[in-house]
Amino acid sequence: QKEVEQDPGPLSVPEGAIVSLNCTYSNSAFQYFMWYRQYSRKGPELLMYTYSSGNKEDGRFTAQVDKSSKYISLFIRDSQPSDSATYLCAMKGNTNAGKSTFGDGTTLTVKP
Amino acid sequence: DGGITQSPKYLFRKEGQNVTLSCEQNLNHDAMYWYRQDPGQGLRLIYYSQIVNDFQKGDIAEGYSVSREKKESFPLTVTSAQKNPTAFYLCASSPVANWASSYNSPLHFGNGTRLTVT
Repeated sequence: QKEVEQDPGPLSVPEGAIVSLNCTYSNSAFQYFMWYRQYSRKGPELLMYTYSSGNKEDGRFTAQVDKSSKYISLFIRDSQPSDSATYLCAMKGNTNAGKSTFGDGTTLTVKP
Repeated sequence: DGGITQSPKYLFRKEGQNVTLSCEQNLNHDAMYWYRQDPGQGLRLIYYSQIVNDFQKGDIAEGYSVSREKKESFPLTVTSAQKNPTAFYLCASSPVANWASSYNSPLHFGNGTRLTVT
């Protein structure tokens, strides 16, 4: 069983929709949670990162972490065609040399 | 502009040949990493280096080798021993090698090299 499971998708939504992307994990040592966005044929770029449980908002993006349920989410409000990409969740703890463990990614398409 | 440069963008090789992928960063980051990405799969760590002249195996190091002779460079060699080398290879770096305080050390990625071996 993988340490990080990500909703596989793909997701296709109309422009303006609210998008919810989700990951679950099994390692209770994870403390830092990240979302990366990856456009086609490009490297991932950091979108959001949070520490422990709670919410973090940045513009149209909200990252939510629920450590008790081992569940993280990324919400995108008023989605735009430019949000079409693959979204990767990642997480790490203070052990294991701080290495990040990634989900498999969810591909999102926002249709105009 | 600071960043990570991976070259070439596309690489084609015959089976049985070794091939070296280049990764250079001008971000003055201590730590560098190599990941492999296959279609529909997440990133799997091949090797990482926290400091010059030192590196450690990641989760899938077999068939790969690296060197870290300079802070800004971390080349990856895909050897003929790698059973399934065709993949998208990503190099990344992070500012600090102090893992205990790595909260502000997200990964910065290059734009990858797509290797095809036939």
